[in-house]
Amino acid sequence: SYELTQPPSVSVSPGQTAHITCSGDKLGNKYACWYQQKSGQSPVLVIYRDTKRPSGIPERFTGSKSGNTATLTISGTQAMDEADYYCQVWDSSPAYVFGTGTKVTVL
Amino acid sequence: EVQLVESGGGLVKPGGSLRLSCAASGFTFSVYGMNWVRQAPGKGLEWVSSSSTGSRFTYYADLVEGRFTMSRDNAKNSLFLQMDSLRVEDTAVYYCAREEITSGYSFDYWGHGTLVTVSS
Repeated sequence: SYELTQPPSVSVSPGQTAHITCSGDKLGNKYACWYQQKSGQSPVLVIYRDTKRPSGIPERFTGSKSGNTATLTISGTQAMDEADYYCQVWDSSPAYVFGTGTKVTVL
Repeated sequence: EVQLVESGGGLVKPGGSLRLSCAASGFTFSVYGMNWVRQAPGKGLEWVSSSSTGSRFTYYADLVEGRFTMSRDNAKNSLFLQMDSLRVEDTAVYYCAREEITSGYSFDYWGHGTLVTVSS
């Protein structure tokens, strides 16, 4: 089955930039999206179609993709950005796949 | 305002059954694909099942295929997940999520989730 690999954790100082990667076979041929999940809350879509930001999501969240790796970048990281982040793609078998998840800690 | 409200979770013994519901409001339910996603305690997100707009196509993750049945009632703006032959490893918070195909197959709205605990 299809798999998406993320680093388990990323630490960042307030005001600095955090990069979260998501790697998968032939990811370059699929659209990636990203979700933020704060402790005890439901996931929130922060990036779709690799680079698009939904209404209401701060500009400090940006998405990019190079080859088979998608990256979520948080610029000027704030304490409120501390959360788990998941990438996700649509794959024909099974229908949807989530990444392993990355815990972002703002030190 | 888009709202998704799950219900029906609870404690059930291994081998038992449970039926989850998701009440949708604030959008035209019938034109959207819908999904169930679960999250075991302390674990990551796991896709469970997907239903096309008219229930013509329904897909399941391998781990639940043959045990779970997803359905929808477009007239009542409701989504359901019938879970049979439950296992301890099915213990999780179950979320319903709206599918947005034009956004590259992403889930743009999620419910608050309902907890299912399978234990003897």
